Amino acid sequence: GAGVSQSPSNKVTEKGKDVELRCDPISGHTALYWYRQSLGQGLEFLIYFQGNSAPDKSGLPSDRFSAERTGGSVSTLTIQRTQQEDSAVYLCASSTEWSGETQYFGPGTRLLVL
Amino acid sequence: QKEVEQDPGPLSVPEGAIVSLNCTYSNSAFQYFMWYRQYSRKGPELLMYTYSSGNKEDGRFTAQVDKSSKYISLFIRDSQPSDSATYLCAMSAPAAGNKLTFGGGTRVLVKP
Repeated sequence: GAGVSQSPSNKVTEKGKDVELRCDPISGHTALYWYRQSLGQGLEFLIYFQGNSAPDKSGLPSDRFSAERTGGSVSTLTIQRTQQEDSAVYLCASSTEWSGETQYFGPGTRLLVL
Repeated sequence: QKEVEQDPGPLSVPEGAIVSLNCTYSNSAFQYFMWYRQYSRKGPELLMYTYSSGNKEDGRFTAQVDKSSKYISLFIRDSQPSDSATYLCAMSAPAAGNKLTFGGGTRVLVKP
């Protein structure tokens, strides 16, 4: 079946602009996760959704970062007033409700802030 | 100090050799231990997961967890050039929900 999909695959933006990144989880997966992967910091957790609720937002680095999920499916990660240090690969993963140990990742969105 | 430490490599081995990877961690609450493989410019791919201590085998891959030493390992037997990738360990603690904490990854190169 179809895996996790993310769009766009690449995004180049200017400092100060807002960006939206999209994630489509595997059908039937109620849990959705956002991670960020950068050279200096490795792969870091950002936020976790169970259904449309986000019980864990502890990884969001600042209030410029927000995420929402509607209909228990698609999720959008929004970065406002982008900074150069936001340049990274943003990865989305999904799992069934009780199988957080088996998270399946999408291909990621490569964000470059100039 | 990071919660999960992993030697970045690169680790270069000849085809057919055994690849040995490991991670150490400091958080004794971790109960689930995962290994992911990541090819260049791709998302991580789940290889194996283990609950608590013990060994698990899947084809050419064997995962070991030693909670008393806070040390996990992944062995790849009969390595192939297609195994060349970055290998990431990841861990989670039930009390922390489903959040994964990753090691920095080890780059592996299998030479034909």
